[in-house]
Amino acid sequence: GQSLEQPSEVTAVEGAIVQINCTYQTSGFYGLSWYQQHDGGAPTFLSYNALDGLEETGRFSSFLSRSDSYGYLLLQELQMKDSASYFCALEEGGNKLTFGTGTQLKVEL
Amino acid sequence: DVKVTQSSRYLVKRTGEKVFLECVQDMDHENMFWYRQDPGLGLRLIYFSYDVKMKEKGDIPEGYSVSREKKERFSLILESASTNQTSMYLCASSSLMTSPGNEQFFGPGTRLTVL
Repeated sequence: GQSLEQPSEVTAVEGAIVQINCTYQTSGFYGLSWYQQHDGGAPTFLSYNALDGLEETGRFSSFLSRSDSYGYLLLQELQMKDSASYFCALEEGGNKLTFGTGTQLKVEL
Repeated sequence: DVKVTQSSRYLVKRTGEKVFLECVQDMDHENMFWYRQDPGLGLRLIYFSYDVKMKEKGDIPEGYSVSREKKERFSLILESASTNQTSMYLCASSSLMTSPGNEQFFGPGTRLTVL
């Protein structure tokens, strides 16, 4: 089976850069995804890493290192609207995902 | 835009009742999923389906069953609801053909309370 660990909570100030880590234990997977979920809302897709390295999408970047069993989501120029929960998810075959426990990001003024 | 809808946002049922949660997607996705979300536990996969009349168990299928009679509709059934099934239930759909990064699209969720 697979397990993914994330910090439960991260706090940062508006305009700063924050990194949310995800470590995993698995025998094999296709890629690592990140999802954002605002309170009371549905999870929405942010990014996907099939290969090692950095993927950049605007203010958000995601990184994967298979050799270190580690990935992270990097959020730059933090805004208040970035306050949300962030989940990493491992993709098994057929698009089945195993989600991490989630990190609640609080952005302060 | 992909739209995934769920039949109810809030639902209150009594222990022992049979409960149906309905999910409909409008983008002709072949894959559909049911998750439950509990604080500190993230999203856990209950059942999923790759095609009509096809179903596969996820990580926590006990106490649940599913039905997929039409491609756009995936139903989650609690045969005899129990208090430990009080949770937020999320439906999702995806298509390997059209989703870069194998993106899953989620519905708004159903918060089920079993008394």
